[in-house]
Amino acid sequence: KAGVTQTPRYLIKTRGQQVTLSCSPISGHRSVSWYQQTPGQGLQFLFEYFSETQRNKGNFPGRFSGRQFSNSRSEMNVSTLELGDSALYLCASSFSTGEDGYTFGSGTRLTVV
Amino acid sequence: KQEVTQIPAALSVPEGENLVLNCSFTDSAIYNLQWFRQDPGKGLTSLLLIQSSQREQTSGRLNASLDKSSGRSTLYIAASQPGDSATYLCAVPNQAGTALIFGKGTTLSVSS
Repeated sequence: KAGVTQTPRYLIKTRGQQVTLSCSPISGHRSVSWYQQTPGQGLQFLFEYFSETQRNKGNFPGRFSGRQFSNSRSEMNVSTLELGDSALYLCASSFSTGEDGYTFGSGTRLTVV
Repeated sequence: KQEVTQIPAALSVPEGENLVLNCSFTDSAIYNLQWFRQDPGKGLTSLLLIQSSQREQTSGRLNASLDKSSGRSTLYIAASQPGDSATYLCAVPNQAGTALIFGKGTTLSVSS
C-alpha cells in the first residue's frame, strides 16, 4: 500500500513569507499529526487532526496552523516565517489513536533565509 | 507529564558486534511503544511496535523488549552492520493517543 506522502520535499523561503506543506496519509488512516525536527530541540509535536477536527496542539505560536480535509489529507501553514522555523517537518498517520502504530512520511525540509 | 529518555546518546561499534539501545519512560500507563530508525535528513522508518500486552517483538536481527512496570524498553541489534548506522528513536503515545512523545535518540555508527 502507498505510504505517507509529503510535498514538497524541499522549500526555501524568505523571512516574513508564508508556507504551506501537504501530507497525504495512508489510505484508511484518519489521524494525521505533524512534528518539527531541529538539531537542538529534537522532534516536537505541532498538532494532530482526526476527521477534520484538531484534537491536540503542541506548544507552538499561532503562526503555525493546520487543517484536515474530508479525504484525510492535511496541510500545515506557517505565516511570517522566521529563521528559527528552518527545520524538517514530518507528518505521521495512524488509524485512530496510534493503536496500530504510526507511519511517517519522508518530511519537508524548510529553509528560511 | 510523560518523558522519554534514551541512553546512550551516541554509540560507535565495529561491525559484527551485538548491541543494546535503551529507552526509559516516566509514565508506565502506555498502550504501546514504537522504535524508529532515521537516516540523516530522512523521515522515520518504523522498526518495531510493541503493544503493552507484549514483552517482546522481533524482526530479523532486531529484538525489542518492553517492561512497563519499570518504564523501560531495549532494542537489541544482533551482528551489527555498517548499514545499521543511523539514529534510533523510541516513542510512546500520550494518554489520549493524539501525539507521540519521543526520546532524543541514539546515534549509532558501525564501522567496517
